[in-house]
Amino acid sequence: AQSVTQLDSQVPVFEEAPVELRCNYSSSVSVYLFWYVQYPNQGLQLLLKYLSGSTLVKGINGFEAEFNKSQTSFHLRKPSVHISDTAEYFCAVRSMDSSYKLIFGSGTRLLVRP
Amino acid sequence: GAGVSQTPSNKVTEKGKYVELRCDPISGHTALYWYRQSLGQGPEFLIYFQGTGAADDSGLPNDRFFAVRPEGSVSTLKIQRTERGDSAVYLCASSLEAVGEQFFGPGTRLTVL
Repeated sequence: AQSVTQLDSQVPVFEEAPVELRCNYSSSVSVYLFWYVQYPNQGLQLLLKYLSGSTLVKGINGFEAEFNKSQTSFHLRKPSVHISDTAEYFCAVRSMDSSYKLIFGSGTRLLVRP
Repeated sequence: GAGVSQTPSNKVTEKGKYVELRCDPISGHTALYWYRQSLGQGPEFLIYFQGTGAADDSGLPNDRFFAVRPEGSVSTLKIQRTERGDSAVYLCASSLEAVGEQFFGPGTRLTVL
């Protein structure tokens, strides 16, 4: 079984400051890793994913994440945030042997202040 | 192009009533998923369809929950004898194939009074 932990329920940050949203996972098998963003009253949108290859993954809207196998982490980063980045961010995993079921963390609300 | 759509966007019902939630996947997507997102939580898997058949319904919480996809396109999630604990946002997603990227709809917010 897999589990995902997002320790920070809310991260407040000023506009143009850098941000890191933390994600740790637990799994007995190899997994694929994902970050999704959810804007108010909208569906989940895929930000980026790690399937294989380079551990540094670049996504949409200037976000990037780094897969660290030894620390079982997949933290999301952005060097300079905008007001429009205010949203809920979810980390998710999918096992390589059961490749359809996404397991989500509880989410982190990013609140960007002017 | 059209994304995944879900109707209704909001549903308020009374305890004990029956509800149906509809999902229209992206045209041509063979795989369809239902997730439930309770307040302050991430989405939790309910059921996965490949074509018309439910390939995995292990996430359905109990036998009050049932889902169908009779023609391999539109899916309906059915909840009998609703309880207050069923209140949540029900998300639908579809993908071109089982291993593909899942595209999510906006969800149906179900409130059971």
